[in-house]
Amino acid sequence: DARVTQTPRHKVTEMGQEVTMRCQPILGHNTVFWYRQTMMQGLELLAYFRNRAPLDDSGMPKDRFSAEMPDATLATLKIQPSEPRDSAVYFCASGLVPEYGYTFGSGTRLTVV
Amino acid sequence: GENVEQHPSTLSVQEGDSAVIKCTYSDSASNYFPWYKQELGKGPQLIIDIRSNVGEKKDQRIAVTLNKTAKHFSLHITETQPEDSAVYFCAASMSNDYKLSFGAGTTVTVRA
Repeated sequence: DARVTQTPRHKVTEMGQEVTMRCQPILGHNTVFWYRQTMMQGLELLAYFRNRAPLDDSGMPKDRFSAEMPDATLATLKIQPSEPRDSAVYFCASGLVPEYGYTFGSGTRLTVV
Repeated sequence: GENVEQHPSTLSVQEGDSAVIKCTYSDSASNYFPWYKQELGKGPQLIIDIRSNVGEKKDQRIAVTLNKTAKHFSLHITETQPEDSAVYFCAASMSNDYKLSFGAGTTVTVRA
């Protein structure tokens, strides 16, 4: 089965450190999303790309978060500097259009202490 | 933007009983309504969907209904089994828009 691969699966870091999360979308999928999941906020859309171009990053705190797609096989989400309130599970998802279904990765569980 | 509300937030049912989750949406331009299931430690997975030109869709033990006039849609799970225990998310999207607006999720627990 084709799947979305996220690394690392778990990350514990100290406040103020830079964090980079990576996502390998399914080959051929040209729409890529970053979501953040917390108990309080549910699934929050942070940013998404279409054909590697950012279409919407209004859900991201711009001062500390950045999302890029250096090529079609890699999407990155960076937090610098990290803060305890960034602790959450970050999901990457990829697909073509909503009606074909989006495939989610297994997530990166980030803990900032 | 689209706002999707989902109820209840938690649902506990006896094995073999039915479970119903309801969602409402705000934008009448929304025309596609998927449901995702999230098991512990995993990402959400699409389980069933419905488009605005259809009122009901069924796939084995799960079914979705859509009322466009009232702007609400529901997920029905019959003959619940322990493996149905998970978090379920409804979502909505509009044509020419790639993103999904998710509800807050419903934690379903099936008691043996």
